[in-house]
Amino acid sequence: DQQVKQNSPSLSVQEGRISILNCDYTNSMFDYFLWYKKYPAEGPTFLISISSIKDKNEDGRFTVFLNKSAKHLSLHIVPSQPGDSAVYFCAASAYSNDYKLSFGAGTTVTVRA
Amino acid sequence: DVKVTQSSRYLVKRTGEKVFLECVQDMDHENMFWYRQDPGLGLRLIYFSYDVKMKEKGDIPEGYSVSREKKERFSLILESASTNQTSMYLCASSLPGTGGNEQFFGPGTRLTVL
Repeated sequence: DQQVKQNSPSLSVQEGRISILNCDYTNSMFDYFLWYKKYPAEGPTFLISISSIKDKNEDGRFTVFLNKSAKHLSLHIVPSQPGDSAVYFCAASAYSNDYKLSFGAGTTVTVRA
Repeated sequence: DVKVTQSSRYLVKRTGEKVFLECVQDMDHENMFWYRQDPGLGLRLIYFSYDVKMKEKGDIPEGYSVSREKKERFSLILESASTNQTSMYLCASSLPGTGGNEQFFGPGTRLTVL
């Protein structure tokens, strides 16, 4: 039973516009949330994280928002660039589970020129 | 440049063969992990290790075993490969501690079992 869900398998966005990726979780014990980016034939690379004590974390063009009451987080990419075309995985961890990561199924983002 | 390397990028094996997937990290990380990635399922944890000679089962350990004889090396073993083990296998490492510590991934091994 997946505890982290990314319900949109794909997203297409115009270059320069905002990309919004969504992630829902069911385990209220999760206390860290991370986003990874994956290009074909490469391993995932860490993008940004947020602790459950915060509701927003920003790093350049990437911002993650956390809504604990809704058990929902989102990743905003502004502005979107062609190099952002990749698969994005949402992941979560809990102290009670030794901080092992639970991953969502991923969202494939395509940035159109 | 810090790295996690995996012994093969592509591997084709036959049903029933014993398969070894090797992973080496040069970051002196205590934690190492093996995942498999399948379409629509994301990454699922097979086994992990927090120290040399230590191993813990992940979410889907059936049909797999692991070995960690040295800190930098973590091996995944398929005792008798089956077609449902055809997948992308990803190794990762991380420092111990808080959940905010990122995991560093290798490039993956695409395993096909015929």
